[in-house]
Amino acid sequence: AIRMTQSPSSFSASTGDRVTITCRASQRISSYLAWYQQKPGRAPKLLIYAASTLQSGVPSRFSGSGSGTDFTLTISYLQSEDFATYYCQQYYSYPPLTFGGGTKVEIK
Amino acid sequence: EVQLLESGGGLVQPGGSLRLSCAASGFTFSNYAMAWVRQAPGKGLEWVSAICGSGRCTYYADSVKGRFTISRDNSKNSMYVQMNSLRVEDTAIYYCAKGGGDLPSFFDYWGQGTPVIVSS
Repeated sequence: AIRMTQSPSSFSASTGDRVTITCRASQRISSYLAWYQQKPGRAPKLLIYAASTLQSGVPSRFSGSGSGTDFTLTISYLQSEDFATYYCQQYYSYPPLTFGGGTKVEIK
Repeated sequence: EVQLLESGGGLVQPGGSLRLSCAASGFTFSNYAMAWVRQAPGKGLEWVSAICGSGRCTYYADSVKGRFTISRDNSKNSMYVQMNSLRVEDTAIYYCAKGGGDLPSFFDYWGQGTPVIVSS
C-alpha cells in the first residue's frame, strides 16, 4: 500500500498568512493526488485533484503543486474560514486508496 | 445539485451486523464510482470500500475484507454496504462519497455521514 505522509501535523497561523502543507507519497504516484478540507463536525470537501486542478467553486487562494512523490497545498492569504484540517489522498494505485494523516491549521 | 444521503447507522454489539445505504441524486449515478470512507472519533480519514459505476468491480480495505460487502442498485440511484462481524474498531462516522469518474479516484462530493457505534 502507498503511504501518504503529511507535514506538519498541525500548526498555528494568522489570517493573511501564506501557508504551505506538504504531502509525501511512499512511491511515485504521478499527479494522482487530491486535497480535502474538513471542518469539525462536517464532511470533507474536495479542494484540488490531479495535484493542481482546482475544484469548481474553490477560491483561487488555494493551489496545489507537485508530482511524483512530493506535493504541496498552498493557501496564499489565509482567511478565517480556512482554519480546518487538510488531508491529501492518492488514487494512483488501489486498493487501498490512501489518505495522509491530516494537517490541522489553527488560529495563532 | 448533487446530494448524497446516508442512512442505517446505529449502535450494534460486537459481532453484529449493519447495513448502510446511500441515496444519490443530482447526477447520472451509473456513470460514477462510489465509495465508503470512515472516520473514527478524533482520527483521520480511512477509505473502506469502493465500487465502479457499473457495479462489476469492487474494492476493499484489508481491515474490512471478508466482513463488508459493497453493492449498488443503479435503478434506485443507491449504494449499500453490508457490514458483518463488526468490531469495536469499526466504530466511526461512515461517509458515502462520489468518485470523480467511472473508476475509483478522488471524491468530489460527500454525504453528511452516518455514525456506527460498535459496543457491548
